[in-house]
Amino acid sequence: AQSVTQLGSHVSVSEGALVLLRCNYSSSVPPYLFWYVQYPNQGLQLLLKYTTGATLVKGINGFEAEFKKSETSFHLTKPSAHMSDAAEYFCAVSFTGGGNKLTFGTGTQLKVEL
Amino acid sequence: GAVVSQHPSWVICKSGTSVKIECRSLDFQATTMFWYRQFPKQSLMLMATSNEGSKATYEQGVEKDKFLINHASLTLSTLTVTSAHPEDSSFYICSAPPGQLRDGYTFGSGTRLTVV
Repeated sequence: AQSVTQLGSHVSVSEGALVLLRCNYSSSVPPYLFWYVQYPNQGLQLLLKYTTGATLVKGINGFEAEFKKSETSFHLTKPSAHMSDAAEYFCAVSFTGGGNKLTFGTGTQLKVEL
Repeated sequence: GAVVSQHPSWVICKSGTSVKIECRSLDFQATTMFWYRQFPKQSLMLMATSNEGSKATYEQGVEKDKFLINHASLTLSTLTVTSAHPEDSSFYICSAPPGQLRDGYTFGSGTRLTVV
């Protein structure tokens, strides 16, 4: 069975500092990995995804993530945090043959301080 | 790009009444729709998968008779919360999976249900 673990339900950074949100997955077959952002009472917006190919994936708003198979990780980073980055972030996984079902992590609330 | 329109965005209902939530794919056909529930400060939990022309598939622990899911056409999927109770208060989100000419998941904007 596939699963996703996000370490740290709350992360706080200063504006301009590095953002690092951690995600580890468990899957017996090659996974498809996603990062989504959610603002209060809104749906989910895709930041980036990994399916195949290059393991370093660049997304919107300056975010990127690297798929590391040996570490079963897909951590999300951004070099310099902005106040507008404050939101809830979800890592998710699906895999071929899984009926396209997305399994979400528990989420990480990112707080950006002045 | 692909859009899933979800309505209503928020609803308040009395205990014991039923509430219908609609998700429409506006510029594509969705043969499948995923329905998620999200409690405050928690993650999205898959409730069920609707399929056009066949019965919905429910995840373990989800009451089929309470959460009625119907996929009436290739552009409309609905979730009806029957005999709602305060514990059903939650944020409900639909999502269409990747398909022809769409390589990603398309999420509705969500429905905030409050049962009083």
